[in-house]
Amino acid sequence: SQTIHQWPATLVQPVGSPLSLECTVEGTSNPNLYWYRQAAGRGLQLLFYSVGIGQISSEVPQNLSASRPQDRQFILSSKKLLLSDSGFYLCAWRTPGGNEKLFFGSGTQLSVL
Amino acid sequence: KQEVTQIPAALSVPEGENLVLNCSFTDSAIYNLQWFRQDPGKGLTSLLLIQSSQREQTSGRLNASLDKSSGRSTLYIAASQPGDSATYLCAVLGGSYIPTFGRGTSLIVHP
Repeated sequence: SQTIHQWPATLVQPVGSPLSLECTVEGTSNPNLYWYRQAAGRGLQLLFYSVGIGQISSEVPQNLSASRPQDRQFILSSKKLLLSDSGFYLCAWRTPGGNEKLFFGSGTQLSVL
Repeated sequence: KQEVTQIPAALSVPEGENLVLNCSFTDSAIYNLQWFRQDPGKGLTSLLLIQSSQREQTSGRLNASLDKSSGRSTLYIAASQPGDSATYLCAVLGGSYIPTFGRGTSLIVHP
């Protein structure tokens, strides 16, 4: 069966520090991968999505970047965190095709102080 | 650009009531619509997926319907329980293969 792992669960970082959040999927190949951010009182904002290794699409201009070094690994990074980067970050995946479910990881709560 | 709206934004009901949560979308050219549940501080759990060719899906006390032509979906929760308290989100998948989410309905079921 397929599973998705996301870590860490909680992270507190000072302003200006780097960030690396990792997401891995097991039990499937060539998944579509997504990074979402959920800020307090706001909806889910799509940050990046990837349809294959090295293929990254950015949905909004921001202080973050994403990489997909392996088929089932998706990494969210920042060189220098801002206060506005605080939020709940969620990784998600789905099998390519129009009729497949979207599955989410357990999320990372990031607080930038 | 697809826009998804969920009404109501918040709902507080006594245990045992039957509930209807609404989700509307602006572009009817969709592949599917998925309902999720999110508990505080947790990831999203998939509840039901309705394909564009389907009219409804059922799982236990949950029933989701889809009217693609009018751009609407409803999630029906029968005999609500305190354990149903959570935020419920709908997501629409269109031709871009990018899921678009509503902002959710926050549900509280009190004993």
